[in-house]
Amino acid sequence: AQSVTQPDIHITVSEGASLELRCNYSYGATPYLFWYVQSPGQGLQLLLKYFSGDTLVQGIKGFEAEFKRSQSSFNLRKPSVHWSDAAEYFCAVGDDRGSTLGRLYFGRGTQLTVWP
Amino acid sequence: DVKVTQSSRYLVKRTGEKVFLECVQDMDHENMFWYRQDPGLGLRLIYFSYDVKMKEKGDIPEGYSVSREKKERFSLILESASTNQTSMYLCASSQNRNPFEAYFGQGTRLTVV
Repeated sequence: AQSVTQPDIHITVSEGASLELRCNYSYGATPYLFWYVQSPGQGLQLLLKYFSGDTLVQGIKGFEAEFKRSQSSFNLRKPSVHWSDAAEYFCAVGDDRGSTLGRLYFGRGTQLTVWP
Repeated sequence: DVKVTQSSRYLVKRTGEKVFLECVQDMDHENMFWYRQDPGLGLRLIYFSYDVKMKEKGDIPEGYSVSREKKERFSLILESASTNQTSMYLCASSQNRNPFEAYFGQGTRLTVV
């Protein structure tokens, strides 16, 4: 069965520091991978996605993620964090089977705190 | 812009009440989903629908039902609300030709007392 693991529940970084949020997935076929961000009181916003091709994908707000099949990982990175990046981040894998096409399996989320 | 609108941002209901959470999307999407979000558990799928009058169970359907009488509207129903259903509920929609491009509503924070 599909599953997503985000090992870090809470991460704190200083503004301007680099960031890496970890995500590991379990999926039988080529995965469809996503990172979402949720600001307080808001819905989810898609940061970036990986379907195929280049394993380094660029997203919005200066984020990028790298797909590593050998490690079953899809880690999110940002070279310099801004205070406005403080939010909760969710990694997800998409189901491409006909009967459940489009459903998403989410990790438990990583809460990011940014110190000034 | 695609818009997914959930009728209430905050709801407080009493144990045993029948509760309706409404979700409307304005982009003619075929697919609609209801997720429940709890701290430390991420989002878990309750029900989803690929067409009018169609519904499929997700991972945690117990205590919930859904209704999709019109393409744009997907309702989540708590038949008899219980305190363990206190949670954030998120609706999402997507289209068949791009099923993974999910658009989420703002969420409904439901408190059952």
